Amino acid sequence: QSVLTQPPSMSAAPGQKVTISCSGSSSNIGNNFVSWYQQLPGTAPKLLIYDDNRRPSGIPDRFSASKSGTSATLGITGLQTGDEADYYCGAWDSSLSASWVFGGGTKLTVL
Amino acid sequence: EVQLVESGGGLVQPGGSLRLSCATSGFTFSRYAMSWVRQAPGKGLEWVSSVSGSGSSTYYADSVKGRFTVSRDKSKTTLYLQMNSLRAEDTAVYYCAKGEYGFPTQGHFDLWGRGTLVTVSS
Repeated sequence: QSVLTQPPSMSAAPGQKVTISCSGSSSNIGNNFVSWYQQLPGTAPKLLIYDDNRRPSGIPDRFSASKSGTSATLGITGLQTGDEADYYCGAWDSSLSASWVFGGGTKLTVL
Repeated sequence: EVQLVESGGGLVQPGGSLRLSCATSGFTFSRYAMSWVRQAPGKGLEWVSSVSGSGSSTYYADSVKGRFTVSRDKSKTTLYLQMNSLRAEDTAVYYCAKGEYGFPTQGHFDLWGRGTLVTVSS
């Protein structure tokens, strides 16, 4: 059971838009930055979004993110078959356990 | 080129030990927090441990506390994970990840290695 909650899977057609949610609590998303990671099949995770809504250089603006309270959302527009991957949200958790927490991951299928 | 290269994975019996290494290059090693994140077969990401840039502060997931020890060698620009009393549930690909700041309590993981597979089985 992951501390951050994501839908296990989503699917959409090429060219469409998809939003992936990530729900947490005040000890993680509510008071710390959220980051998002893309893991293409058979590869290591890659940073996609940091500090709630900032894109590293090289990440296309088709990828965007937002945060409100204890929830965050990743949006992908103009879906491409190459976007088919697992997406994870993550944040530092400032509770007594003081740890990094991830969502369970969302497997995105581009039909 | 900025890169992280893990090594040291393999097959180990339950109760055994293993030491993972993460060789780094292309950045000022001591400036940044470093972490280990693992992924069991077919499962999601699980944070394991982090160490501050100076090495003075360490953090562990409850699932490995007391069994795993994270450390770093500034002269070799290498991160380590000593894993003792290994269990079947520790079977996973272990990734080394670089933080953006000196402390893992801030920021994110901006660079990941390719991972090394640890299999705990008799």
